[in-house]
Amino acid sequence: EAGVTQFPSHSVIEKGQTVTLRCDPISGHDNLYWYRRVMGKEIKFLLHFVKESKQDESGMPNNRFLAERTGGTYSTLKVQPAELEDSGVYFCASSLYYTDTQYFGPGTRLTVL
Amino acid sequence: AQRVTQPEKLLSVFKGAPVELKCNYSYSGSPELFWYVQYSRQRLQLLLRHISRESIKGFTADLNKGETSFHLKKPFAQEEDSAMYYCALSGNDYKLSFGAGTTVTVRA
Repeated sequence: EAGVTQFPSHSVIEKGQTVTLRCDPISGHDNLYWYRRVMGKEIKFLLHFVKESKQDESGMPNNRFLAERTGGTYSTLKVQPAELEDSGVYFCASSLYYTDTQYFGPGTRLTVL
Repeated sequence: AQRVTQPEKLLSVFKGAPVELKCNYSYSGSPELFWYVQYSRQRLQLLLRHISRESIKGFTADLNKGETSFHLKKPFAQEEDSAMYYCALSGNDYKLSFGAGTTVTVRA
């Protein structure tokens, strides 16, 4: 069974540009989470989807971040416009039920210059 | 507010020696505690969760509600245990709060 996949693995952009990160959860997993680790800080929760609905987006830092999960399958996280402080590793995780183990993707390393 | 503290950033032990990674938490209700591990060039993966009470790869962790701790222990460290270890907590909403992580190096 394929695990959680994320694309791209690494993205380098300039301040002010737009970047879209993609996450494909494990097939059948209704719950999808986004987390990120910025330099020197802990891994922080961003938001949680149940199917296509946003269950909790309390961790989204500001309105430059937009997450979608059309059709309840893959999810995208768009940063527009990107700022220097957005640099870090963005993780996606999925679980079958919200009480289950969350399985993580390999992460996308975002560098904003 | 929920918070996880891992006081050690780096931990170096010799092969065959015991290893203990400390984790303290704060949460007003009944949390669920986890240890995640990230080996070099691999993804974050669950090592163990307190409700399952399993021993994985020789590691154990006991939830101490009185001391609000969930320390990870292994009696005899192996070189393949070298990795980054994260303690994490989830409350009623099941989103994870992570500690800063501890990098473990097991020397031959």
